[in-house]
Amino acid sequence: QIQLQKSGPGLVKPSETLSLTCTVSGVSIGSSNHYWGWVRQPPGKGLEWIGSIYSTGSTYYNPSLESRVTISLDTSKNLFSLNLNSVTVADTAVYYCAGDRNINWFYYWGQGTLVTVSS
Amino acid sequence: EIVLTQSPGTLSLSPGERATLSCRASQSVSSNYLAWYQQKLGQAPRLLIYGASRRATGIPDRFSGSGSGTDFTLTISRLEPDDFAVYSCQQFGSSLITFGQGTRLEIK
Repeated sequence: QIQLQKSGPGLVKPSETLSLTCTVSGVSIGSSNHYWGWVRQPPGKGLEWIGSIYSTGSTYYNPSLESRVTISLDTSKNLFSLNLNSVTVADTAVYYCAGDRNINWFYYWGQGTLVTVSS
Repeated sequence: EIVLTQSPGTLSLSPGERATLSCRASQSVSSNYLAWYQQKLGQAPRLLIYGASRRATGIPDRFSGSGSGTDFTLTISRLEPDDFAVYSCQQFGSSLITFGQGTRLEIK
């Protein structure tokens, strides 16, 4: 059974880089032919896709965030990461990691935690 | 970018009633690329329907999806107390995923 465990700080200062990791268990992310992604949800608002990465390392980003986002795989640790630079208060949200065999949707989800951007 | 608009924003119904939730796209969406999620307070979304009409693993058959082109519907045939939550549609197109703003299904 595939499980996702997200980790990272809950508070980031404006202009700094938000870094989160998602450790995957139950499958080897480098050879699983799965897509792994990040989704966020600002307080009281809807879901927003940040981007996805395939097991080969190919990446797909939301154009509205693409200039600030990097998603990468670490196959040695079986995890994938999100870096979002130059954050502002508008980046305050609950961040989720997710995955599926298809790029079209997400069946597997990690727990969400609030990341607050504040000085 | 394809914009998904869900209606109504809030739906108030009683257990046992039928719920019909709408998701309208700003341009045509391939049925293969339309999904529905359920989200309860403080929890991650749960995939209900993918490919517009296929139920995800473990989803009861009272949940059904339909539609094509720009108009899609999620139907819950007989509401149970556990079904009251927020429901969001999602599409994939041109290497971009977008979500609707959600419909809150509340107990009347």
